[in-house]
Amino acid sequence: DVKVTQSSRYLVKRTGEKVFLECVQDMDHENMFWYRQDPGLGLRLIYFSYDVKMKEKGDIPEGYSVSREKKERFSLILESASTNQTSMYLCASSFQTGTPIVPLHFGNGTRLTVT
Amino acid sequence: GNSVTQMEGPVTLSEEAFLTINCTYTATGYPSLFWYVQYPGEGLQLLLKATKADDKGSNKGFEATYRKETTSFHLEKGSVQVSDSAVYFCALGTGNQFYFGTGTSLTVIP
Repeated sequence: DVKVTQSSRYLVKRTGEKVFLECVQDMDHENMFWYRQDPGLGLRLIYFSYDVKMKEKGDIPEGYSVSREKKERFSLILESASTNQTSMYLCASSFQTGTPIVPLHFGNGTRLTVT
Repeated sequence: GNSVTQMEGPVTLSEEAFLTINCTYTATGYPSLFWYVQYPGEGLQLLLKATKADDKGSNKGFEATYRKETTSFHLEKGSVQVSDSAVYFCALGTGNQFYFGTGTSLTVIP
């Protein structure tokens, strides 16, 4: 079974802090994604990566950055946390896909509260 | 562009009732379609998928058929259980991108 592991289930941080959310997958997937999930808004894509050291902006990249130094690890960084970044953060991974599209595999999520 | 629209919740059903959660999509090309389920406090789990028109995905008593003519992928289950209480997400995959609906919360009462 694919395992996508997010390092923390719950985090509480203060406004202005630099926050690191870590995600590791064990299936040698090329693609990795960071989403945030908010009530009524569904999942919104923050950043994604198709390969080591590659990154692409998603729909809501402002206030975030990412790092992918190794294939199995994809980190989301909040440079200066703000209260509007309080959310559930979900990491996902998949193989490079052709046709048909292969599904995403998700971690259990990190619920971040910024006070 | 690509997008997914699913019925608003929340949905509350009695145990053994029939479930339908509607999902329609807009897509360029030939997408794959998915239903994911999210139990409280957890991430999303793949429930079922369909990769081409007229395919039927099924798992754990849930079914959905990829209807290209109506651009729909409605989720159905003939008899829900309390353990099916969760949030259900319809999703579309095309290229290396995925597009999700806003989720439908289902509560099943005994």
